[in-house]
Amino acid sequence: EPEVTQTPSHQVTQMGQEVILRCVPISNHLYFYWYRQILGQKVEFLVSFYNNEISEKSEIFDDQFSVERPDGSNFTLKIRSTKLEDSAMYFCASTRDRENEQFFGPGTRLTVL
Amino acid sequence: RKEVEQDPGPFNVPEGATVAFNCTYSNSASQSFFWYRQDCRKEPKLLMSVYSSGNEDGRFTAQLNRASQYISLLIRDSKLSDSATYLCVVSVRGNAGKSTFGDGTTLTVKP
Repeated sequence: EPEVTQTPSHQVTQMGQEVILRCVPISNHLYFYWYRQILGQKVEFLVSFYNNEISEKSEIFDDQFSVERPDGSNFTLKIRSTKLEDSAMYFCASTRDRENEQFFGPGTRLTVL
Repeated sequence: RKEVEQDPGPFNVPEGATVAFNCTYSNSASQSFFWYRQDCRKEPKLLMSVYSSGNEDGRFTAQLNRASQYISLLIRDSKLSDSATYLCVVSVRGNAGKSTFGDGTTLTVKP
């Protein structure tokens, strides 16, 4: 069964450093998303991506964040200068049809020291 | 008011019990509704989509009331393996599929 994959599973970084989180969505899916979940809190929407551009972004997704689909398979989230409060689990999701369920990757746990 | 609001929980029930979770949403343009389950430190996984006519999958029944902007999930004959956090998820028409999650309701099924 196809699945969304994410790498790395855990990333530890120093405050102020740049990180890139990687995702490989399901191959025939067209809509891609990043969510984050701070420990003990709810899942929060960051950004949606379709047709090689951002469709929507939340207030969390400020200038420090960017997304890219550099080739036909990878979908990346970059945080330019990490802050302590960026520590969270970051989930990538994809769907073929925006009205259908989204399939989530296993997440990347980001720890900013 | 939160966009998606769930029963705060937690729910602690014995095996075999029936348990119901409730969820309300504030945006009347909401179009798609789902229940996901999330195990500790894992990704959300789809439990079931929720349709206007209601739907059932084994021990799980989901209901949608558009007039009241209310969604429910009923679990019958609870199993230990049902212990998880249940997430109510709503997508709004025209929002590129952006999903808004409720805070989740934690269920613990005890022997």
